[in-house]
Amino acid sequence: NAGVTQTPKFRVLKTGQSMTLLCAQDMNHEYMYWYRQDPGMGLRLIHYSVGEGTTAKGEVPDGYNVSRLKKQNFLLGLESAAPSQTSVYFCASSMTSGPYTQYFGPGTRLTVL
Amino acid sequence: EDQVTQSPEALRLQEGESSSLNCSYTVSGLRGLFWYRQDPGKGPEFLFTLYSAGEEKEKERLKATLTKKESFLHITAPKPEDSATYLCAVQASNTGKLIFGQGTTLQVKP
Repeated sequence: NAGVTQTPKFRVLKTGQSMTLLCAQDMNHEYMYWYRQDPGMGLRLIHYSVGEGTTAKGEVPDGYNVSRLKKQNFLLGLESAAPSQTSVYFCASSMTSGPYTQYFGPGTRLTVL
Repeated sequence: EDQVTQSPEALRLQEGESSSLNCSYTVSGLRGLFWYRQDPGKGPEFLFTLYSAGEEKEKERLKATLTKKESFLHITAPKPEDSATYLCAVQASNTGKLIFGQGTTLQVKP
């Protein structure tokens, strides 16, 4: 049981390049989330999904897109990367009913030059 | 506005020196309060969930308590391996979203 996995672990992009971060979970969770973590800002929700085929905006969605084509996978895309998107990105998943605990992946460290 | 504030930002302890971390919150209907541990370069690791005032949970040297306005994470006789950043988060019953605090970075010296 791997829990929540993320690929890649590290990535360096140039301004304007695009990329996709992949999150996978094997806990059969309905809900999945993407966060970013920046020094002094804490964890902030980018987008989330309450089920296959559905997505919704979180606190800081601008510049990102997401897709949930399969229940176990949640993709985060950057169409045109900007230096302000340099951050550590975490994916999480949870059940639909109590205790609603979110379980996190190991993170992806992204640097945009 | 839902908000979570953790204090102190950083805490240095000697091995065996007990202390507490504070998490103050304001939320429109609390569904749950969560404590996570985060080691450098890793994702947050779930520790506890508390649901109502008066509830307590323990795990090894850690004990979490909850009141209507704050939660404490008590660390008894800490060891160097307890060094990490401890994150507190609240889940509002109306939105279901987690609101995180900034975290408290704990360093335990041998």
